[in-house]
Amino acid sequence: NAGVTQTPKFQVLKTGQSMTLQCAQDMNHEYMSWYRQDPGMGLRLIHYSVGAGITDQGEVPNGYNVSRSTTEDFPLRLLSAAPSQTSVYFCASSDRQGGHNEQFFGPGTRLTVL
Amino acid sequence: EDKVVQSPLSLVVHEGDTVTLNCSYEVTNFRSLLWYKQEKKAPTFLFMLTSSGIEKKSGRLSSILDKKELFSILNITATQTGDSAIYLCAVVYGGSQGNLIFGKGTKLSVKP
Repeated sequence: NAGVTQTPKFQVLKTGQSMTLQCAQDMNHEYMSWYRQDPGMGLRLIHYSVGAGITDQGEVPNGYNVSRSTTEDFPLRLLSAAPSQTSVYFCASSDRQGGHNEQFFGPGTRLTVL
Repeated sequence: EDKVVQSPLSLVVHEGDTVTLNCSYEVTNFRSLLWYKQEKKAPTFLFMLTSSGIEKKSGRLSSILDKKELFSILNITATQTGDSAIYLCAVVYGGSQGNLIFGKGTKLSVKP
């Protein structure tokens, strides 16, 4: 099993550009989520999904969109990037029975918005 | 407001020392508390605690939860330089699938 994979590992954008951060898991987990991690702020939940076709907002959803058309994939879209979105982004998944318990994290995407 | 507070925010010790990291929380309908270790990349799971007073142990690491006083501690004995990392505490709370909130983490540096 590859676990949770994320692409790209690094990305530099200009303000106003759009892009999609990819996340995939091969563990058949129903629950997937996106976090951003900023210095001194810990991990903050952006969006999450409890299953295919179902998504919901987390703590800091503004400026981000998600969709969940399959169990495996949970892409995060930035429609118009802003410097405030410079951060490290982590995707995570867990078994629905466990809910948030023991989440498995991807390796992260380091995004810089100029 | 639901919150998770970790202390200290950073800590420097020498190899062989024992350290105690703290995590306190204020949430509605507590469900579980999780500890993660984050080195250079993604967080990796250490412990999940749901019941008070039951110690979870893995090698030199151990953790316990006090649901009455609303806190957990993570102990690391005989620290090694490989223990240097950010230690994250997270709390699952609320109904249905629950919500998850992370503390800001404790950065532990172990000097040789």
